[in-house]
Amino acid sequence: GAVVSQHPSWVICKSGTSVKIECRSLDFQATTMFWYRQFPKQSLMLMATSNEGSKATYEQGVEKDKFLINHASLTLSTLTVTSAHPEDSSFYICSASGDYSYNEQFFGPGTRLTVL
Amino acid sequence: DQQVKQNSPSLSVQEGRISILNCDYTNSMFDYFLWYKKYPAEGPTFLISISSIKDKNEDGRFTVFLNKSAKHLSLHIVPSQPGDSAVYFCAARRTGNQFYFGTGTSLTVIP
Repeated sequence: GAVVSQHPSWVICKSGTSVKIECRSLDFQATTMFWYRQFPKQSLMLMATSNEGSKATYEQGVEKDKFLINHASLTLSTLTVTSAHPEDSSFYICSASGDYSYNEQFFGPGTRLTVL
Repeated sequence: DQQVKQNSPSLSVQEGRISILNCDYTNSMFDYFLWYKKYPAEGPTFLISISSIKDKNEDGRFTVFLNKSAKHLSLHIVPSQPGDSAVYFCAARRTGNQFYFGTGTSLTVIP
């Protein structure tokens, strides 16, 4: 149980385009979803926390107009990287917590974004 | 400001010996602590957790110890196996369901 999926697993796009990443909880209702970014050899950096049906809470230094997060249902959250640039290239990971276990987060497999 | 710290970026241990990974935190509002294991290009997987009202939790080869007065927790793996080689992140939860992660420790278990 407690499976979280992400789609796509890898995306390459041109600079200036927008990319949408989906995060789904497959077998539980995710009241809270989290988006992280990981740079090579670095820790997970929390970007934002989103509760179903409400606006996401962004961490300091994360541009909310650039990284659009939508958590429209209890099983789906999306992260849209708008007008992507090469410096946005990174590994993006979502996680979810909810009625399966409120104490733990369950992570998706991550999405590798490469912006050319 | 890094509220959860793992001061050892890497650790090498011989197979069969004990691996001890350490984690320090600064926020006394954290009420739940977790350890995650991560392989390259994959999402972290949950390993073991401990509530702030306990000082020890054991699950097979993995034991987590919590010292609240020192704001310190550690993960013990015994005996260590080559398949344990991965990056380990400690995480702490604050009320309001916010999680903070440490910087990770890369464990290498040498056969």
